Amino acid sequence: GESVGLHLPTLSVQEGDNSIINCAYSNSASDYFIWYKQESGKGPQFIIDIRSNMDKRQGQRVTVLLNKTVKHLSLQIAATQPGDSAVYFCAENRGNQGGKLIFGQGTELSVKP
Amino acid sequence: DGGITQSPKYLFRKEGQNVTLSCEQNLNHDAMYWYRQDPGQGLRLIYYSQIVNDFQKGDIAEGYSVSREKKESFPLTVTSAQKNPTAFYLCASSLIGQPSSYNSPLHFGNGTRLTVT
Repeated sequence: GESVGLHLPTLSVQEGDNSIINCAYSNSASDYFIWYKQESGKGPQFIIDIRSNMDKRQGQRVTVLLNKTVKHLSLQIAATQPGDSAVYFCAENRGNQGGKLIFGQGTELSVKP
Repeated sequence: DGGITQSPKYLFRKEGQNVTLSCEQNLNHDAMYWYRQDPGQGLRLIYYSQIVNDFQKGDIAEGYSVSREKKESFPLTVTSAQKNPTAFYLCASSLIGQPSSYNSPLHFGNGTRLTVT
């Protein structure tokens, strides 16, 4: 069935390096995408979003890239810090399903000091 | 500070008992949601409500019930009919944007971990 998936379940990076977390989606009608960060025992926290009429959006130390041709979404974190260690979820808003948000399974990012 | 409050943080129940999880928001958001998260998995939608006194089933509504009597409150009852109720339950809220598909990002509470034995 259709789903939002991730290429890698875990990612380990050295402190100071850049991190790239990838996400694939399959519904071409999805019009809005969000990245969330979830620390252990807490609820997901909004990081950045992007609408389907954009290819790139930048925030503080984070950039989201959207490639609609291959239905691929990525989150780039610059100068990764130990506090970035968490599980990262992408979510897609399926506009043809009443705006339902579908979450991927998550990638666990581990930052080595 | 505006936010979403879920209580309690940990909840233990015996099998066969109904249990109600609380969710309150003071963000003045129109829509509220309940998600279930199992270890190593993403979030699955249980129920959602876009307006007071109205709610819709999500992907895994069986064994759950909700009410939306007030804009700021959206309690979830896990009934004895839910076959595998032990999980981490997350409540969220959002504004309803225009057009309706462009909802604001979901804001989440910090969850209730329910253990049923």
